Amino acid sequence: TQLLEQSPQFLSIQEGENLTVYCNSSSVFSSLQWYRQEPGEGPVLLVTVVTGGEVKKLKRLTFQFGDARKDSSLHITAAQPGDTGLYLCAGDAGGTSYGKLTFGQGTILTVHP
Amino acid sequence: DAGITQSPRHKVTETGTPVTLRCHQTENHRYMYWYRQDPGHGLRLIHYSYGVKDTDKGEVSDGYSVSRSKTEDFLLTLESATSSQTSVYFCAISVGRGREQYFGPGTRLTVT
Repeated sequence: TQLLEQSPQFLSIQEGENLTVYCNSSSVFSSLQWYRQEPGEGPVLLVTVVTGGEVKKLKRLTFQFGDARKDSSLHITAAQPGDTGLYLCAGDAGGTSYGKLTFGQGTILTVHP
Repeated sequence: DAGITQSPRHKVTETGTPVTLRCHQTENHRYMYWYRQDPGHGLRLIHYSYGVKDTDKGEVSDGYSVSRSKTEDFLLTLESATSSQTSVYFCAISVGRGREQYFGPGTRLTVT
């Protein structure tokens, strides 16, 4: 069974601060996805990283896939209250896994004005 | 918007009663999934489907069954609901080579 350890579980910061969320595993994934979820809604895909060492940027969000494709990080620069939400990483084992994803436990981010 | 709806959106039921949740998609996607979401556990896969009448178990399938008689509908059934099945249930579809998943709005189920 593949596991994804996501940290920290909770993050409470002031507007303008930077933060990093980590997603780690002992297993190799063919791709890793990051989702954001707001209360009462389903998760929404932010990005998919596929290549070891890949870095993707989405405005103030920077996503990185580890060289060995076992870990990933999400860095937010100058956080804003609108960034508040639950962030989830999810790994795809690839192959004949029928697109099944393994999710981390999630990071609840609160950005105070 | 991947055209995914879930019904009902909220349900309160008593222990021991059967419950069926419905997931409907409008875009003919092959792969569909049912997850439950509980605090501290992220999303856990209950069952998934890779085609009509083709389903398999996920990591937390005990007490749940599924059916997919047509491409657009994926049903999740709790044969005899228990309080431990109180949760928020999400349906998802998988698209593209990257196999990104798109989620429905969720069903909040409370078993009393």
